[in-house]
Amino acid sequence: EPEVTQTPSHQVTQMGQEVILRCVPISNHLYFYWYRQILGQKVEFLVSFYNNEISEKSEIFDDQFSVERPDGSNFTLKIRSTKLEDSAMYFCASSEGDSSAETFGSGTRLTVV
Amino acid sequence: GEDVEQSLFLSVREGDSSVINCTYTDSSSTYLYWYKQEPGAGLQLLTYIFSNMDMKQDQRLTVLLNKKDKHLSLRIADTQTGDSAIYFCAESSEAAGNKLTFGGGTRVLVKP
Repeated sequence: EPEVTQTPSHQVTQMGQEVILRCVPISNHLYFYWYRQILGQKVEFLVSFYNNEISEKSEIFDDQFSVERPDGSNFTLKIRSTKLEDSAMYFCASSEGDSSAETFGSGTRLTVV
Repeated sequence: GEDVEQSLFLSVREGDSSVINCTYTDSSSTYLYWYKQEPGAGLQLLTYIFSNMDMKQDQRLTVLLNKKDKHLSLRIADTQTGDSAIYFCAESSEAAGNKLTFGGGTRVLVKP
């Protein structure tokens, strides 16, 4: 069964450093998403991406964050200068259409120290 | 904004039925979903229901939707120890760009 792949599964970084979280969505999916889950809190929407541009973003997705589809298979989330409060599980998801169910990856646990 | 609420915890004996409840506020919800998260794993889509449906059954899973009360439930028949996980309710609407809004998750513990 096709799956969304995320790497790394766990990343530890120092405050102020840049991190890039990587995702390989399902190959025939056109819509891509990032969500995050701070420990003990709800899963929160960050950003959606379609046709090589951001289609929607939440208040959390400020100038520190950016997304990119550098080639035909990868979808990345960059955090420019990490803060302690960026520590969370980050989930990538993809879907065939904008009202299709989203398939999630296993997540990247980001720990900022 | 949209809000989705779930109870925090459910304990059930193996073989019994589990019922997980969810309420939501967005009257324009298009789809409602149930995701399962096992320890250390991602979010696995279990089932979803379109907002104009009342019920959907898929093997051991039954989803009931009361659109008037904005109440969604997931019934797991013959609950197994492998069903122990966190279950997330989520909703999406075209008006909100089809992004998912999640509940806080219900931790289900199945006792042998």
